[in-house]
Amino acid sequence: EVQLVESGGGFVQPGRSLRLSCSASGFSVGDYAMTWVRQAPGKGLEWVAFIRSKPYGATTEYAASVKGRFAISRDESKNIAYLQMNSLETDDTAVYYCTRSLGGYSYGLKPDFDYWGQGTLVTVSS
Amino acid sequence: EIVLTQSPGTLSLSPGERATLSCRASQSVSSSYIIWFQQKPGQAPRLLIYGASRRATGIPDRFSGSGSGTDFTLTISRLEPEDFAVYYCQLYVSSTGYTFGQGTKLEIK
Repeated sequence: EVQLVESGGGFVQPGRSLRLSCSASGFSVGDYAMTWVRQAPGKGLEWVAFIRSKPYGATTEYAASVKGRFAISRDESKNIAYLQMNSLETDDTAVYYCTRSLGGYSYGLKPDFDYWGQGTLVTVSS
Repeated sequence: EIVLTQSPGTLSLSPGERATLSCRASQSVSSSYIIWFQQKPGQAPRLLIYGASRRATGIPDRFSGSGSGTDFTLTISRLEPEDFAVYYCQLYVSSTGYTFGQGTKLEIK
């Protein structure tokens, strides 16, 4: 059974850092584009970042709002994906979801974003 | 940057009725990369439709997706009580990554 479990959220002051983890089971994080999506309180969904699978170069992509501040990575030996968040701003306050995608290579033929974690709340405030 | 605009913002219908949700792109896009999600309060999004019209595993056939170019539609043929939720469309563009529409809230009338 495929499962994604996020951890690492919490309360942090502006300018500080936080690292989120996404522990996967039932599949290998190396076989998918591991992806982070966030949702600010009462707001809609916002894609944050993904890291493609090795066959697609293991390249990373970021939303403009987090580029240069956030870094996505994964550890295949532990089957965990990470989101390192630096220089946090109050606008980064959100529930952060881990999901698996095909990193733009679904061609509409395969299900994308088919499994999600339950989310972890990050609150950035002074 | 391509923007997805969903309408209406809120749709009030009764169980048994037909729901039609719209997702309009600011320029023509590939239907291959249009996805629809359902989200209930306190829950993660759930994949409904990918490739604009393909139902994900386990999704009832009352859900259908259609469209091309700039206009895409999610149709729920006969609303069940569990269908009342927020629905998002999403698009992938190689130059900018993924983008979501702002959502349509489907509420019980």
